[in-house]
Amino acid sequence: GENVEQHPSTLSVQEGDSAVIKCTYSDSASNYFPWYKQELGKRPQLIIDIRSNVGEKKDQRIAVTLNKTAKHFSLHITETQPEDSAVYFCAAPKGGATNKLIFGTGTLLAVQP
Amino acid sequence: DSGVTQTPKHLITATGQRVTLRCSPRSGDLSVYWYQQSLDQGLQFLIQYYNGEERAKGNILERFSAQQFPDLHSELNLSSLELGDSALYFCASSVDVGELFFGEGSRLTVL
Repeated sequence: GENVEQHPSTLSVQEGDSAVIKCTYSDSASNYFPWYKQELGKRPQLIIDIRSNVGEKKDQRIAVTLNKTAKHFSLHITETQPEDSAVYFCAAPKGGATNKLIFGTGTLLAVQP
Repeated sequence: DSGVTQTPKHLITATGQRVTLRCSPRSGDLSVYWYQQSLDQGLQFLIQYYNGEERAKGNILERFSAQQFPDLHSELNLSSLELGDSALYFCASSVDVGELFFGEGSRLTVL
């Protein structure tokens, strides 16, 4: 199928703790895995992405890991802050060069101060 | 500001009506995508155009249609509207396989 499964659907953490969101995809041809952040009432914005030729990528407090064999990829946020509160979407392309980006169902992250 | 412009921002209409949503992509981007986001739902892929040609199709209803014009702007036409069509419709653009730049969305309310 074309599903990108994302878990958990909601996540509540204390400020300063880490948060991990996991996604699985079905298309073995997928080679690009972005993560988007959508604040309330705003548009989705890319926060980090990874291509299939690497297993991990970091950008300050956020990191993404990829396991192509298992078709899993995860978003890791360390030292969470209240401004990290948002809905996070993973995505994976379907159909190779078409860039038909299929999004996961989203994770609502709440960082409690 | 992503550089992607969508109009109108808000639209209220009645069941059975037809509306057109408009999107201007970022300068230089050839690809335009349409996504539907219903309340508490994720981003449902509708359709993608590349340089005027339809490139990929998602779960787009037959009542919906889209096109991309020679100047690269795109329109999404929604007809015979139903209550369930109420949603936020996002347009996004990109150069190629990579980052999507989303517009602010058009919020459609069908009464």
